[in-house]
Amino acid sequence: VQLQESGPGLVKPSETLSLTCTVSGYSISSGYYWGWIRQPPGRGLEWIGIIYHSGSTYYNPSLKSRVTMSVDTSKNQFSLKLSSVTAADTAVYYCARPFGQLSTLSFDYWGQGTVVTVSS
Amino acid sequence: SYELTQPPSVSVSPGQTASITCSGDKLGDKYACWYQQKPGQSPVLVIYQNTKRPSGIPERFSGSNSGNTATLTISGTQAMDEADYYCQAWDSSTVVFGGGTKLTVL
Repeated sequence: VQLQESGPGLVKPSETLSLTCTVSGYSISSGYYWGWIRQPPGRGLEWIGIIYHSGSTYYNPSLKSRVTMSVDTSKNQFSLKLSSVTAADTAVYYCARPFGQLSTLSFDYWGQGTVVTVSS
Repeated sequence: SYELTQPPSVSVSPGQTASITCSGDKLGDKYACWYQQKPGQSPVLVIYQNTKRPSGIPERFSGSNSGNTATLTISGTQAMDEADYYCQAWDSSTVVFGGGTKLTVL
């Protein structure tokens, strides 16, 4: 299983950040949740959300009002949109695959990460 | 919201045992996992479901979870183990990460 993030590396303040994760080696429609995690420069990991292939989602409550995740099974991709971005959203964004039941959830496959900078 | 607390840093001499803790309210009633992250790299899962090692993770990595504390133990620590380590758990329909611990091998 391989995951690869793609999207603009620079986003202007107040605009919407859009990223896509392309999955290879596994069909998204076969199951599993799929997730996004970010890491601001020099800081720790922050969970953004997870989405099931059917579209069911769980979001970080602190970001929920600005986050939308979606799945495109025909392209074997899932996507993240984060609206009204500020400099605080500058981070490395990772897509990852969690496994196990929700209560035991761990991320076993990760993308390489993509740097997103919010700046005018 | 649920919080997981880790010490910012831990130091260990080569060949010795390193212990990294992760504290949270009744964490022992949940499942904890651990990630290793080296500079410029994506995190790697080293322990899941409290005590299990993924394929390819050396036996010197082990985990435990009881009461309010989960612990990652690295026996016979090697220089290559120097990295940031993050604990993670699931609570109230959210994924929670600890703040991370920088392990220094000196």
